[in-house]
Amino acid sequence: EAAVTQSPRNKVAVTGGKVTLSCNQTNNHNNMYWYRQDTGHGLRLIHYSYGAGSTEKGDIPDGYKASRPSQENFSLILELATPSQTSVYFCASGHQGANSDYTFGSGTRLLVI
Amino acid sequence: AQSVTQPDARVTVSEGASLQLRCKYSYFGTPYLFWYVQYPRQGLQLLLKYYPGDPVVQGVNGFEAEFSKSNSSFHLRKASVHWSDWAVYFCAVSMYQGGRALIFGTGTTVSVSP
Repeated sequence: EAAVTQSPRNKVAVTGGKVTLSCNQTNNHNNMYWYRQDTGHGLRLIHYSYGAGSTEKGDIPDGYKASRPSQENFSLILELATPSQTSVYFCASGHQGANSDYTFGSGTRLLVI
Repeated sequence: AQSVTQPDARVTVSEGASLQLRCKYSYFGTPYLFWYVQYPRQGLQLLLKYYPGDPVVQGVNGFEAEFSKSNSSFHLRKASVHWSDWAVYFCAVSMYQGGRALIFGTGTTVSVSP
């Protein structure tokens, strides 16, 4: 079954440390996305990708980098984690077309202390 | 700019009563619209989606939504709510640029009373 898998499910990081969130999809979708979810804000787009080697800034990219080494994998990198980056992060994949379906991962809960 | 507004942060409804969740969008052109549900500590699950065509869309678990271009709305409805519908509901629109990313509203929490 096609899916989006995120790892880890939960992460505790120290302020100033480096954090990498991983996402793998088996949908063969070209596009992949990283969102963060915070109370009162819904889901906000951090970075997205059109395919292997491509990364683009979303609405709130500051403090985050992304990497898309292959069609299947899309990582979100926090080089210097801060407590304000404590959140739940969701990865998703979708087709390029206007009538795309989207598949979401189960989320990663990140606590930065 | 493209955006989605869900004006109700929380709605409480009695089990068996009807439910309507409001969604207003701002979009240039013809929008592709979605409703997702998020159960506690879980990811997002698709309830239904609107692609240009019939304005009333049927979804899973008895949910339906109606698209109105004149009102820029995509309201979600259910005739009879069950306790298992206790969740957060998100309305979203697919961007025509930006990798077709979804733009989400802030969500509406539905609480079901006995």
